[in-house]
This record gives sequence, structure tokens and C-alpha cells, in this order.
Amino acid sequence: GAVVSQHPSWVICKSGTSVKIECRSLDFQATTMFWYRQFPKQSLMLMATSNEGSKATYEQGVEKDKFLINHASLTLSTLTVTSAHPEDSSFYICSASGGGEQFFGPGTRLTVL
Amino acid sequence: AQTVTQSQPEMSVQEAETVTLSCTYDTSESDYYLFWYKQPPSRQMILVIRQEAYKQQNATENRFSVNFQKAAKSFSLKISDSQLGDAAMYFCACYQTGANNLFFGTGTRLTVIP
Repeated sequence: GAVVSQHPSWVICKSGTSVKIECRSLDFQATTMFWYRQFPKQSLMLMATSNEGSKATYEQGVEKDKFLINHASLTLSTLTVTSAHPEDSSFYICSASGGGEQFFGPGTRLTVL
Repeated sequence: AQTVTQSQPEMSVQEAETVTLSCTYDTSESDYYLFWYKQPPSRQMILVIRQEAYKQQNATENRFSVNFQKAAKSFSLKISDSQLGDAAMYFCACYQTGANNLFFGTGTRLTVIP
């Protein structure tokens, strides 16, 4: 199957700083990528849909100014958590859409101190 | 609005036995896909099986099969000959083609007893 990578796999930052997470489709072009958030022992919650060359579509309750998404190319989408706070600590997962199937990255664990 | 419901937070099965995980969904679209994903402790999402809504035949993948009841909006997963490596969180998901979004159920934690 297709491979999706995420970088970094784990990041620790101070409260008030911004953190950028990258999602790359390594062997296919993805016009659409999805960003999810997963709290411990809970399901994946869709945050936003990222479309190449256009603005992301955010789910209800997700602050677009706090979670900035950029999908500048067919193989890269980035999620920037701006002015991070401890409550933003979570596991962030991206997926890339290809051929009617979703390919998931390994996730990024964000810890905000 | 789209919802995916998994009513079994936890399930257990004896090794080599069969277990069925339940999932119901609700979507207003006619074109959609249904998935079962497995999430082991590594947290990497692994596709178990996929079903196109327009197909009547139930999908199968080796020991994994589904019972897709479109009218009832039910999509259960059957795991036959359960193995220790099957222990994980299992998520049911629905992808709406028109809305281009993928939503997950709350998950079922499967324990396999040796």
C-alpha cells in the first residue's frame, strides 16, 4: 500500500509557542489529506479536510486560526498549532486520500508544557 | 450529518474462535465507502477491510469478513480463527464521496485470550 509519513513523530513545546507538523504522501499524489486528533483511549476526531491549492475545510468546533493547514503541493500538507496550550496536547494523525482509500500516517504526539 | 456508532466498547474472544464487532452508520449520501481499521498499541492505523456501498456482495479478506446490511445501515466485522495479533482497537469508518470526509466510530477494544 501507499506510504504516508509524518514529521515529527513526537514534539514537546512550551505553552505559547507554535508547532508545525508535516504530512507527506511518499509514493503517490494526494489531492486531499485529512487531519485528525485522537485523545487517549478515544476515537479519531476529524479536524479538517485539506485540499491541494485551496483553503482547508474545518469541522465544526475546530478553530481555523489556531490550527492552520496548508496543502501547498500534492504530496505535502502541514498543520500548524499556533500559540499551543496544554489542552492542545494530543495525538495528531493525518491521512491521504488515494483511489478511494485512506492511507494513514504514523501520527505525531504533541505535548505542550 | 454523518454518524458512525460502535456499541461495544470492549470485546474479548478466545484464540481460534470467532468474534463479531458491530457498527451502524448514518449518511445522507448514496455514494460512500465503509471501512474497518485496526489500531494496535503503536497507534498506526491499519486498514482491515473495505466495502463499497454500491456493492451487494460482502467483502472478505482472509479471516476477516463483513456483514453489510445497507437498508439497516449496519456494517459488522467478523474475525474468524482469532489470533493473538488481532488484539487491538478496531474502528469502523464511513467515507462520504460527495462531502469528501471520513468519520470514525468510537472504537471497540478487542482482547484475544490465549
